[in-house]
Amino acid sequence: EDQVTQSPEALRLQEGESSSLNCSYTVSGLRGLFWYRQDPGKGPEFLFTLYSAGEEKEKERLKATLTKKESFLHITAPKPEDSATYLCAVRDNYGQNFVFGPGTRLSVLP
Amino acid sequence: SAVISQKPSRDICQRGTSLTIQCQVDSQVTMMFWYRQQPGQSLTLIATANQGSEATYESGFVIDKFPISRPNLTFSTLTVSNMSPEDSSIYLCSVEGTAPRETQYFGPGTRLLVL
Repeated sequence: EDQVTQSPEALRLQEGESSSLNCSYTVSGLRGLFWYRQDPGKGPEFLFTLYSAGEEKEKERLKATLTKKESFLHITAPKPEDSATYLCAVRDNYGQNFVFGPGTRLSVLP
Repeated sequence: SAVISQKPSRDICQRGTSLTIQCQVDSQVTMMFWYRQQPGQSLTLIATANQGSEATYESGFVIDKFPISRPNLTFSTLTVSNMSPEDSSIYLCSVEGTAPRETQYFGPGTRLLVL
């Protein structure tokens, strides 16, 4: 059974203080790993899709990386508007469904 | 990406009643998904709805409680039947996009409170 865990559960940063969020996964053949951002009361907003180990994607202050067991979402010099819950999900080669992790709640203080 | 809208955006309902949530997509898609997100929790898949076939429900969710319709390639509905306070959640519709491949896009959600 596919499993996704995320750490830390919550993270508080000062503006400009870079850090990383972790997503560890167990899957029978990775079809894709996905990062989303979710603001309170809204649907998840797509950030990145990664398909194979070694792949990296960047968007503004965010950079996602992938290994065979985990993915990291690196946040460089975060701003208060980066405060949100960050969700990781996986899809395996055998099913149609996506399995979501519990998320990391990020707070960036001015 | 796909643009997805949901109606209603929020509702307050009485115990024992039913609510139908609509999901509209701006392009034709094969697969649509319905999720539930309880307060402070991550997303739990309710069912997958493909046009022209019966919805496939996940463990713990049954058709009598959450009937789904998928009449065409741009629209789906989820009904939450005989509601109880435990059904208070955000209900999210999503679709599988083609660029990037395998990626899922979400609607804004329907926030349901059952009294």
